[in-house]
Amino acid sequence: DAGVIQSPRHEVTEMGQEVTLRCKPISGHDYLFWYRQTMMRGLELLIYFNNNVPIDDSGMPEDRFSAKMPNASFSTLKIQPSEPRDSAVYFCASTRQGSEAFFGQGTRLTVV
Amino acid sequence: EDQVTQSPEALRLQEGESSSLNCSYTVSGLRGLFWYRQDPGKGPEFLFTLYSAGEEKEKERLKATLTKKESFLHITAPKPEDSATYLCAVPHNYGQNFVFGPGTRLSVLP
Repeated sequence: DAGVIQSPRHEVTEMGQEVTLRCKPISGHDYLFWYRQTMMRGLELLIYFNNNVPIDDSGMPEDRFSAKMPNASFSTLKIQPSEPRDSAVYFCASTRQGSEAFFGQGTRLTVV
Repeated sequence: EDQVTQSPEALRLQEGESSSLNCSYTVSGLRGLFWYRQDPGKGPEFLFTLYSAGEEKEKERLKATLTKKESFLHITAPKPEDSATYLCAVPHNYGQNFVFGPGTRLSVLP
């Protein structure tokens, strides 16, 4: 397996624009997580899915953030409208229950 | 509230100078403690899982140990390629998501 695949690797956008981050989890994993990493706050969980169903979205900062998982092999995290304070590295990770999480390479988002 | 703390925040070692990193956690009903390594510009990479106090795991120059309240990552005779941020994490008390510590930035100088 190629591991967790995220795209794009880098995204630079202007404030107010819509941003969509994409993730393909490892085949057979039934949990998918979206994390955000900043120097100030470290790794923060935004939302996670089990069998494509959102289980906990309490980490989503506000209504500008939304996430979907239409099938077992694809998930998106959307920010609309984007703001400079959303600048961070966004990671997707997947796992089977009780096992370690495998992370993608991340998407570095810069909102100017 | 589940919490994970790590110390020190940063550590600089000379090549060959052994040391330990600490991970302290407060979570009821521990269901595993996970260690990850993160290189700049990359996602965290899994190293070890420990499940019970007294358990130890080794990989090359790294050895992880677990007590009821904390875990240590011992680095023996480190090399410059061991330079990275080391993260620990525990599963959330009532869910499958992971709570991560802030990490220790390790620099090993040649």
